[in-house]
Amino acid sequence: GAVVSQHPSWVICKSGTSVKIECRSLDFQATTMFWYRQFPKQSLMLMATSNEGSKATYEQGVEKDKFLINHASLTLSTLTVTSAHPEDSSFYICSARVARDYGEAFFGQGTRLTVV
Amino acid sequence: DAKTTQPTSMDCAEGRAANLPCNHSTISGNEYVYWYRQIHSQGPQYIIHGLKNNETNEMASLIITEDRKSSTLILPHATLRDTAVYYCIVRVALGGGNQFYFGTGTSLTVIP
Repeated sequence: GAVVSQHPSWVICKSGTSVKIECRSLDFQATTMFWYRQFPKQSLMLMATSNEGSKATYEQGVEKDKFLINHASLTLSTLTVTSAHPEDSSFYICSARVARDYGEAFFGQGTRLTVV
Repeated sequence: DAKTTQPTSMDCAEGRAANLPCNHSTISGNEYVYWYRQIHSQGPQYIIHGLKNNETNEMASLIITEDRKSSTLILPHATLRDTAVYYCIVRVALGGGNQFYFGTGTSLTVIP
């Protein structure tokens, strides 16, 4: 299947700082990318849908000013957690959809964020 | 919101077939059923998807009932590495976004 790469795999940051997570589709062009977060022992929660060249669409309850998403090219989307706090500690996962109707989505390996 | 219902957990003996059910009674005519699995602390892995016909690939088989209100994922010969959380997802098309919403999934444990 297609490869989606996330970087970094894990990051520890101090409270109040910002963290950027990159998501790349390595062997295909992704017009749409998705960002999820996952707390321990819970399912994936969709945060936002990112379309190349346009503003991201956020799910209800997700603060768009806190979780900045940029999708500047067909192979790269970034999620920036601004002014991170310990409650933002989570597993963040990106996904990129193959650009065809009802194409499957492929997921990155995830980024473990710990805010101390 | 997820549109599927799955058992919380299941066990399967190694080498046996694992049959994972999923209920999606409100599925629309143009919605596909997708299956993903997530091994601990990794991103979900695509397994298979289908619309109305049964599907098979190198990983699994997908059986969809005629009324499309439920489906079963079959891992023909489960191995210990198949221990994971399995998610059944009905593809929701919203303004072209085609989001994937995850439910609670089934935690499958393959027992030696």
